[in-house]
Amino acid sequence: AQTVTQSQPEMSVQEAETVTLSCTYDTSESDYYLFWYKQPPSRQMILVIRQEAYKQQNATENRFSVNFQKAAKSFSLKISDSQLGDAAMYFCAYRSAGSGYSTLTFGKGTMLLVSP
Amino acid sequence: DAGVIQSPRHEVTEMGQEVTLRCKPISGHNSLFWYRQTMMRGLELLIYFNNNVPIDDSGMPEDRFSAKMPNASFSTLKIQPSEPRDSAVYFCASSLGRLTEAFFGQGTRLTVV
Repeated sequence: AQTVTQSQPEMSVQEAETVTLSCTYDTSESDYYLFWYKQPPSRQMILVIRQEAYKQQNATENRFSVNFQKAAKSFSLKISDSQLGDAAMYFCAYRSAGSGYSTLTFGKGTMLLVSP
Repeated sequence: DAGVIQSPRHEVTEMGQEVTLRCKPISGHNSLFWYRQTMMRGLELLIYFNNNVPIDDSGMPEDRFSAKMPNASFSTLKIQPSEPRDSAVYFCASSLGRLTEAFFGQGTRLTVV
């Protein structure tokens, strides 16, 4: 079974600064998808960014980018120019792309605090 | 698109009562998930449906929990009888196919007293 580990329970950043959230995963598969979700206090789960394992290029969405290291099984999220609205719980998730059915496996999450 | 719709948003019930949580997935999505979120255990997958058929229910805690998906636009998660340890936020999510991201509903916060 796949596991996803987020080793940072909490991170802090100041407005306009850059922060990186870590995620590692364990899998024997070669084809899969990785995601970062954001959960603000409203508790809505919002997709931030996705990465296909077969793509070498790191995904980018505006101020959010990832550093995908397939061999190291690492998938970190970088938030540039942090804003107060970025304060939330961030979850890393894995989904198999192999044959058969696949579900989303989540890490425990990292709480991001943003200070003015 | 209205997104995934869950009801109720909040539910407070007494121990021993039956609780039914409802979910309407995004139209056209053929995969549906029920997750439970607690501080201690994080996000746990309870059950996964594909084309209305339960594929993986290994996360369902015990016989007190049951889930159905009678058609492509509706699913229920039932707890009978409910216990205080069932208190959590329950999320429903749907996806188009098995190779895409899941979209989540607003969740139901269940409190069993």
